Amino acid sequence: DAGITQSPRHKVTETGTPVTLRCHQTENHRYMYWYRQDPGHGLRLIHYSYGVKDTDKGEVSDGYSVSRSKTEDFLLTLESATSSQTSVYFCAISPSSVNYGYTFGSGTRLTVV
Amino acid sequence: TQLLEQSPQFLSIQEGENLTVYCNSSSVFSSLQWYRQEPGEGPVLLVTVVTGGEVKKLKRLTFQFGDARKDSSLHITAAQPGDTGLYLCAGLYSGGGADGLTFGKGTHLIIQP
Repeated sequence: DAGITQSPRHKVTETGTPVTLRCHQTENHRYMYWYRQDPGHGLRLIHYSYGVKDTDKGEVSDGYSVSRSKTEDFLLTLESATSSQTSVYFCAISPSSVNYGYTFGSGTRLTVV
Repeated sequence: TQLLEQSPQFLSIQEGENLTVYCNSSSVFSSLQWYRQEPGEGPVLLVTVVTGGEVKKLKRLTFQFGDARKDSSLHITAAQPGDTGLYLCAGLYSGGGADGLTFGKGTHLIIQP
């Protein structure tokens, strides 16, 4: 079992529609992160969570919101999708904020048309 | 924004050759990690280095953390086609907290049979 799953794996949506991506973990890790990966930019942090209902913004948070109502679930919402949000989105988990590696999900490929 | 530079950006070599890829920053890391990512998947942690000058070996892969904790290298001996992938370094900067790792853009490595 991977310990972290993302859904959906692929999604095509229209400009202006809201979209929610889900990250689910079975490791009971405190820290959860959403990154996007784009050619030429690498992985960039969107939002992160350091506990239930405790979230904060990352480097590229504009146009995104998150929620964490349970330890195991971290949701990323694109409030009104734009073509610039076409990307591959990765969720990651970690037991600590320092010196521990991240475990990544397999990603969600989102296309906004 | 902290920058983490990886070089080379692309590397294609023959099976059996040795190679080194680099990760550099002008800032000091409290820890640094290396990941490998294959197409369609999330990054997978290879190693975490914490102490300046530290060297870690993982089979044919040797990771070194610079004495000043501003740079790192990954050396692969007798490369094999299974080593093909995107190699990412990621740093946690001194003073950084829960806001996550900063990733380099990666080195795309192709090992030709």
